[in-house]
Amino acid sequence: GAVVSQHPSWVICKSGTSVKIECRSLDFQATTMFWYRQFPKQSLMLMATSNEGSKATYEQGVEKDKFLINHASLTLSTLTVTSAHPEDSSFYICSALRQGDTEAFFGQGTRLTVV
Amino acid sequence: DAKTTQPTSMDCAEGRAANLPCNHSTISGNEYVYWYRQIHSQGPQYIIHGLKNNETNEMASLIITEDRKSSTLILPHATLRDTAVYYCIVWGGGYALNFGKGTSLLVTP
Repeated sequence: GAVVSQHPSWVICKSGTSVKIECRSLDFQATTMFWYRQFPKQSLMLMATSNEGSKATYEQGVEKDKFLINHASLTLSTLTVTSAHPEDSSFYICSALRQGDTEAFFGQGTRLTVV
Repeated sequence: DAKTTQPTSMDCAEGRAANLPCNHSTISGNEYVYWYRQIHSQGPQYIIHGLKNNETNEMASLIITEDRKSSTLILPHATLRDTAVYYCIVWGGGYALNFGKGTSLLVTP
């Protein structure tokens, strides 16, 4: 199956700093990518949808100025958590769709801890 | 999207079949039934999907009722490594998967 890679797998940062998470589709072109976050003992919650070359669409309650998403190519989307706070600590997961495919592919997730 | 209902948790003895039910009574004609699982601190892993016929692959079998209002995922010989949260999702493709709470499956020795 197709491979989606996230980097880094985990990151610890200080409050007030920014962190960038990369999501790459390694062997296919992803027309659409999705970003989710997951708090402990909860399910995945969709944050935003991004299409290559256009602005991301954010879910209600997700601050677009805080969670910057860039989808500059068909194989790379980035999520930048700006001015991170401890409450942003979470597990962030990306997903990619290949045009015409019947399966969504997921990255391995990034554990963000803000101290 | 159609919503799904799954039991919160289930136990299964190692080596036995694990049968995970899912209700999706509002599924529409162009939506498939998908199953993913998530092992602790990993991204979701695709298991299987189907439209109306039963499906089988190397991981599992999917049984969908004739009216498509419910389905069952079968892991024929559960192992300890199958301990995970299993998500039943109805999806028509082209948009984000909507994850419910899933079923936490514990496989015991």
